[in-house]
Amino acid sequence: DAKTTQPTSMDCAEGRAANLPCNHSTISGNEYVYWYRQIHSQGPQYIIHGLKNNETNEMASLIITEDRKSSTLILPHATLRDTAVYYCIVRPPSGTYKYIFGTGTRLKVLA
Amino acid sequence: NAGVTQTPKFRILKIGQSMTLQCAQDMNHNYMYWYRQDPGMGLKLIYYSVGAGITDKGEVPNGYNVSRSTTEDFPLRLELAAPSQTSVYFCASIPTGGTEAFFGQGTRLTVV
Repeated sequence: DAKTTQPTSMDCAEGRAANLPCNHSTISGNEYVYWYRQIHSQGPQYIIHGLKNNETNEMASLIITEDRKSSTLILPHATLRDTAVYYCIVRPPSGTYKYIFGTGTRLKVLA
Repeated sequence: NAGVTQTPKFRILKIGQSMTLQCAQDMNHNYMYWYRQDPGMGLKLIYYSVGAGITDKGEVPNGYNVSRSTTEDFPLRLELAAPSQTSVYFCASIPTGGTEAFFGQGTRLTVV
């Protein structure tokens, strides 16, 4: 399973875009990049995923570099409720679906 | 749908006691997972299952056992509780061919 590396923590001003990077330099060609977040002590919540193209949904955008060795999750207008730990995960498209979480990035949105 | 339901929500165990953490999902998902999360840390995979009757070890399986006799249930067994097993335990499920993992609300376990 490909490993991911994320910064330990980041701050972002409320209303500004939050850009959370993730390095996955050992990713294989058929492995997807997934993002989850965990607010306080709740169970993690799915945000978005992608393979090679950029993706956008109502929560966030995902930008994957052309070589697929890194990605960035973008929260376009961060609010205080976006304060959470954000996890980047690499997962193969089929098989065991072995989800390995790293330590994530603790995002703090400042008023 | 209730989603993923974990019971109990809180439990205090004495060293050496045993208990079973329950996890049930009503979404007919084949893939189920158990994680533990120590204070201030990320999630560590304990065990996972790709379907009824099939389980496999994750990153930190020692001290735990699982079984998967039905699609709906994936209980986690602690045989001899130790203080190092004090943690929050999360159960999750994913449908076959699906993308999103659904998590329960967690069981907070303290071993004293």
